[in-house]
Amino acid sequence: EVLLVESGGGLVQPGGSLRLSCAASGFTFSNYNMNWVRQAPGKGLEWISFISGHSITYAESVKGRFTISRDNAKNSLYLQMNNVRVEDTAVYYCARDYIWNVDYWGQGTLVTVSS
Amino acid sequence: QSALTQPRSVSGSLGQSVTISCTGTSRDVGGYDYVSWYQQHPGRAPKLMIYDVSKWASGVPDRFSGSKSGNTASLTISGLQAEDEADYYCYSYAGSFSWVFGGGTKLTVL
Repeated sequence: EVLLVESGGGLVQPGGSLRLSCAASGFTFSNYNMNWVRQAPGKGLEWISFISGHSITYAESVKGRFTISRDNAKNSLYLQMNNVRVEDTAVYYCARDYIWNVDYWGQGTLVTVSS
Repeated sequence: QSALTQPRSVSGSLGQSVTISCTGTSRDVGGYDYVSWYQQHPGRAPKLMIYDVSKWASGVPDRFSGSKSGNTASLTISGLQAEDEADYYCYSYAGSFSWVFGGGTKLTVL
């Protein structure tokens, strides 16, 4: 069974930093591209970052502030969030890519940016 | 890039059919056959329903179907059931390893 479990969310002040993690199991993690997707409270889904074996991309809304990375030995995906803003408040989902679609999602971790 | 355009809400009676549209541009929906649809119930993670425009994800009933014409993709749900009431999102590849979601559509089953 494919499982994606996010952790690391919480309350952070504007301008602060947070690191999200996603633990993957039930599949060969190194064989799959991965994404981070977020959803602000009461709002829609927003794709924010992608990582493959050789490419990393970001949405304009987070470019230069967020960094995606992965550790295939630990079956883990990460999102380093720096200089966070109030508008970054959202549930952050780890999402597995399946040939340019997302086929599995984690349960999400809530990040709240507030002073 | 801008979010794909979906109607904010649609409704249909039990047993009827509804169609949700998803309009983009030639740089996303119209340019690639990588459009997928997700169902999301309140407080839950999204669930893949349709991928590659019209392929069913595992376990998804064939009451759900997808199609595309030009820059607009569509999700049709036939034989509406109470459990179909949820938010639905389209998602498209937009080139250069970037993706874009639709704004989401709330489906109400009457």
